Amino acid sequence: KQEVTQIPAALSVPEGENLVLNCSFTDSAIYNLQWFRQDPGKGLTSLLLIQSSQREQTSGRLNASLDKSSGRSTLYIAASQPGDSATYLCAVRPENSGNTPLVFGKGTRLSVIA
Amino acid sequence: NAGVTQTPKFRVLKTGQSMTLLCAQDMNHEYMYWYRQDPGMGLRLIHYSVGEGTTAKGEVPDGYNVSRLKKQNFLLGLESAAPSQTSVYFCASRHQQGYGKNIQYFGAGTRLSVL
Repeated sequence: KQEVTQIPAALSVPEGENLVLNCSFTDSAIYNLQWFRQDPGKGLTSLLLIQSSQREQTSGRLNASLDKSSGRSTLYIAASQPGDSATYLCAVRPENSGNTPLVFGKGTRLSVIA
Repeated sequence: NAGVTQTPKFRVLKTGQSMTLLCAQDMNHEYMYWYRQDPGMGLRLIHYSVGEGTTAKGEVPDGYNVSRLKKQNFLLGLESAAPSQTSVYFCASRHQQGYGKNIQYFGAGTRLSVL
């Protein structure tokens, strides 16, 4: 059974710092991996999606990498801002015919202090 | 562009009452999902659907029923609400595999309290 782990559960950094959020998964047979952001009291918003054949995806100050063989992904946030404060969730879609739902980690709660 | 819309946003029920949560998407997605989110437990899948007229059980299906009579709507029903069903419920949808980027979109959530 696929399991997704995100460590640490919470992280606090000063504004302007570059930071890395970690995600690990137990089964390397994945179709893709998605990083989501969740603001308090809100739904999830997709940030980046990496297909299993890709190594990384970039969007603005965000860069997500994928090492499928070692079961790891990282989300790099450059020059962090208070507006980046949120919970970041990682999710993998197991490899199969296409019907398998995403398996989510429990998230990392990020606080960026001004 | 509404995306995924959930109604209602908030609801308070008494134990034993029934209710239906409605999810509507306007992106012509084939797949739709219902999750619950509880502190310390993360997101857990309740039921999902891979197309109109089809449903399947997720990780925590007991006490819930679903229906997908129209492609754009996915209903989650609680026949006899219990305090353990107090949670935040999220609906999500996406295209089938191989169609576009396969990004999953979420609604804003329904906060349900069962007293």
